[in-house]
Amino acid sequence: GAGVSQTPSNKVTEKGKYVELRCDPISGHTALYWYRQSLGQGPEFLIYFQGTGAADDSGLPNDRFFAVRPEGSVSTLKIQRTERGDSAVYLCASSLNFGAPGELFFGEGSRLTVL
Amino acid sequence: DAKTTQPNSMESNEEEPVHLPCNHSTISGTDYIHWYRQLPSQGPEYVIHGLTSNVNNRMASLAIAEDRKSSTLILHRATLRDAAVYYCILRGETSGSRLTFGEGTQLTVNP
Repeated sequence: GAGVSQTPSNKVTEKGKYVELRCDPISGHTALYWYRQSLGQGPEFLIYFQGTGAADDSGLPNDRFFAVRPEGSVSTLKIQRTERGDSAVYLCASSLNFGAPGELFFGEGSRLTVL
Repeated sequence: DAKTTQPNSMESNEEEPVHLPCNHSTISGTDYIHWYRQLPSQGPEYVIHGLTSNVNNRMASLAIAEDRKSSTLILHRATLRDAAVYYCILRGETSGSRLTFGEGTQLTVNP
């Protein structure tokens, strides 16, 4: 399809384990964003990339969270030593260009459950 | 980031118009007003955006107050598929490239 693709759609893991979540943006989109959404809340910004570099990682909650985008396309969000509080839906979005007003296109998210 | 205020929830009947309000009294001159909606179990979806003038597209209309301190998203004929959380977001120089979501308005559409 032509939309933003996220895998896995669901991930169940145990406390303390390492998790990777993958995002395939729309082809040609230079900006890529990660958000986290807890039940009943709006999405919370984590990080965004312009090309390969993280332009703003101010939303990452702590150093257990890390994201990469080595070739300026696919991105991976990595969570070390998972905690139960990390359980949420992780959303990825992409946009054609950087900055306002541009439209963001979101994927359907990866639901992470930490037992 | 400049803050927006929306009602927590609203109800409408099918095939009737819906007016979703948003207050943004601290908006700056370069902030665009964006609306996104999120259907159950899906990622947010772009609806519309504007700067100063009213805007129309196939999904909705956006009415912006003359002082830009408030705006209204208008769905001309609500359908059951319009039931979603609607987010009003300011995006401009102060927010950088990111969208900052609030709690949004949960719209219920009654058949």
